[in-house]
Amino acid sequence: KNQVEQSPQSLIILEGKNCTLQCNYTVSPFSNLRWYKQDTGRGPVSLTIMTFSENTKSNGRYTATLDADTKQSSLHITASQLSDSASYICVVRTGGSYIPTFGRGTSLIVHP
Amino acid sequence: NAGVTQTPKFRVLKTGQSMTLLCAQDMNHEYMYWYRQDPGMGLRLIHYSVGEGTTAKGEVPDGYNVSRLKKQNFLLGLESAAPSQTSVYFCATQLDGTYEQYFGPGTRLTVT
Repeated sequence: KNQVEQSPQSLIILEGKNCTLQCNYTVSPFSNLRWYKQDTGRGPVSLTIMTFSENTKSNGRYTATLDADTKQSSLHITASQLSDSASYICVVRTGGSYIPTFGRGTSLIVHP
Repeated sequence: NAGVTQTPKFRVLKTGQSMTLLCAQDMNHEYMYWYRQDPGMGLRLIHYSVGEGTTAKGEVPDGYNVSRLKKQNFLLGLESAAPSQTSVYFCATQLDGTYEQYFGPGTRLTVT
């Protein structure tokens, strides 16, 4: 069964600090992996996509990594801001499937 | 260009009542999805459509029906609401099988 596990479940950090969120998956065959950001009361919005051949991709202060051999991805947030407080969802897609597999998300709270 | 809109934003139902949630998109996307999001459970797929006139069951379809008579609209129906259907419902659209999903703002439904 395709599964996506995220850790930690929740995280509290101080503004300006860095943090790293983890995503492990057992989806096969792998097509791509996306990280979404979901602000409270809103729908998720895509931050970045990783394909099999990509190891690292940055989007501003967000940097995603992918290790296709160990089936792990991470999302690193640099110099966190209050606006980074949100849920971060890892979503993996298999080749040929219409249906992505969602992780349960990591809830990040950034305190001033 | 409104993107993905959902109607209504909030609704309170009594057990046994029926209602229809509307998802509308102006991006000409082929794929549309209905999810529910519950605390600690992440996003779970209810039904989806790969084109006008088509629908298919997702992970948690029981108690829901859907229709896609027009490409731009995807309707989710609850024939006899139950308290277990209290949730936040998100609609998402997608250009094709590999592109990112664009989510609506959500509908918060409470069944008493």
